Amino acid sequence: DAGVIQSPRHEVTEMGQEVTLRCKPISGHNSLFWYRQTMMRGLELLIYFNNNVPIDDSGMPEDRFSAKMPNASFSTLKIQPSEPRDSAVYFCASSLIDSYNSPLHFGNGTRLTVT
Amino acid sequence: ILNVEQSPQSLHVQEGDSTNFTCSFPSSNFYALHWYRWETAKSPEALFVMTLNGDEKKKGRISATLNTKEGYSYLYIKGSQPEDSATYLCALGSGGYQKVTFGTGTKLQVIP
Repeated sequence: DAGVIQSPRHEVTEMGQEVTLRCKPISGHNSLFWYRQTMMRGLELLIYFNNNVPIDDSGMPEDRFSAKMPNASFSTLKIQPSEPRDSAVYFCASSLIDSYNSPLHFGNGTRLTVT
Repeated sequence: ILNVEQSPQSLHVQEGDSTNFTCSFPSSNFYALHWYRWETAKSPEALFVMTLNGDEKKKGRISATLNTKEGYSYLYIKGSQPEDSATYLCALGSGGYQKVTFGTGTKLQVIP
């Protein structure tokens, strides 16, 4: 079990550029979550998927943010155009929702810096 | 908006002391209550997931209880050790597809 894999680990970009964060969930997991960690709000849920379908994207801050899950083994979070206030650590987590007591398994996060 | 509240925000204890923190949550639409341990420069790791009112879970010196009727959970650490220093997060699982919403955490520092 390789765990949840996120790439890149670090991303530094200039304001206005497009940023794409990637996540590979644990094989067999059917739910995937994107979180953003900030000092003010802690771990903030952006969007989550179940069986590749977006269930709730109410946490996506603006239309500049979009997320896709084209198949069970891959998801992307895209920011276009990026702004300095998007600087944060973005975590992906996956889970097997077959019962109500399934924990989340987190990736190592992507630290995004927008200058 | 689901408000998951944790207290205290931070805590310093001496090695060997026992301690506890609180997580409170809206009891409507409840499915599960999660606890995670988050060490600096690492990712959150699951400690417990509880679903039933009155649930109690234990892992080594760490235990947790759940009261879904009044909407709170306690996490206890017995005989704190320096390696217990971390941020402890609780999260509410709600909705049919288990939307998981986190509190802002309790940061524990155990002083040797």
